[in-house]
Amino acid sequence: QSVLTQPPSVSAAPGQKVTISCSGSSSNIGNSYVSWYQQLPGTAPKLLIYDNNKRPSGIPDRFSGSKSGTSATLGITGLQTGDEAVYYCGTRDSSLSALWVFGGGTKLTVL
Amino acid sequence: QVQLVQSGAEVKKPGASVKVSCKASGYTVTAYYIHWVRQAPGQGLEWMGRISPNSGGTNYAQQFQGRVTMTRDTSISTIYMEFSSLRSDDTAVYYCAREGQWLEGDYWGQGTLVTVSS
Repeated sequence: QSVLTQPPSVSAAPGQKVTISCSGSSSNIGNSYVSWYQQLPGTAPKLLIYDNNKRPSGIPDRFSGSKSGTSATLGITGLQTGDEAVYYCGTRDSSLSALWVFGGGTKLTVL
Repeated sequence: QVQLVQSGAEVKKPGASVKVSCKASGYTVTAYYIHWVRQAPGQGLEWMGRISPNSGGTNYAQQFQGRVTMTRDTSISTIYMEFSSLRSDDTAVYYCAREGQWLEGDYWGQGTLVTVSS
């Protein structure tokens, strides 16, 4: 059981837009920065979004992040087949004294 | 460029210990915390703990307290994670990751598969 709640899967056609939600509480998302990671099959997680809505150098602006209260959202526009991956949200949880907690992951299928 | 290169796959028997290394390059290793995260087959990410390569200070996830030990050797820019009393459900890929300014994992190692089997 993950501390942060994500939908297990989402799907959309190439070129379309998709959003992935991440729900938490006041002890985690409500009180800390949210990050998003992309994990392609057989590879390590890769940082997509940090500080709720900032993109590291090299991450295209098709990827966006937002946060409101105790929830966060990852948006991906102009979907490509190469975007098929599992996406994780992450943050800190003060009640668990856990410096990092993650969602269970969302599998994105580009139909 | 920043790189974290981990040691190779391990096969261990139940009850044994494993020590995984993470060699950092491309930045000043003492300036950034290193976290360890594991991923069981087909499962999500699970945080294990963090070490300050500068001071050696550690924070461990409650569920791993007493079984995990994180250390570092700054002379060779290498961080270690030792995990003891291994069980079959500890079979997983173990990742090291650097903590960025906003608590994010900005760079990750390639992962080390640890298989626990009799």
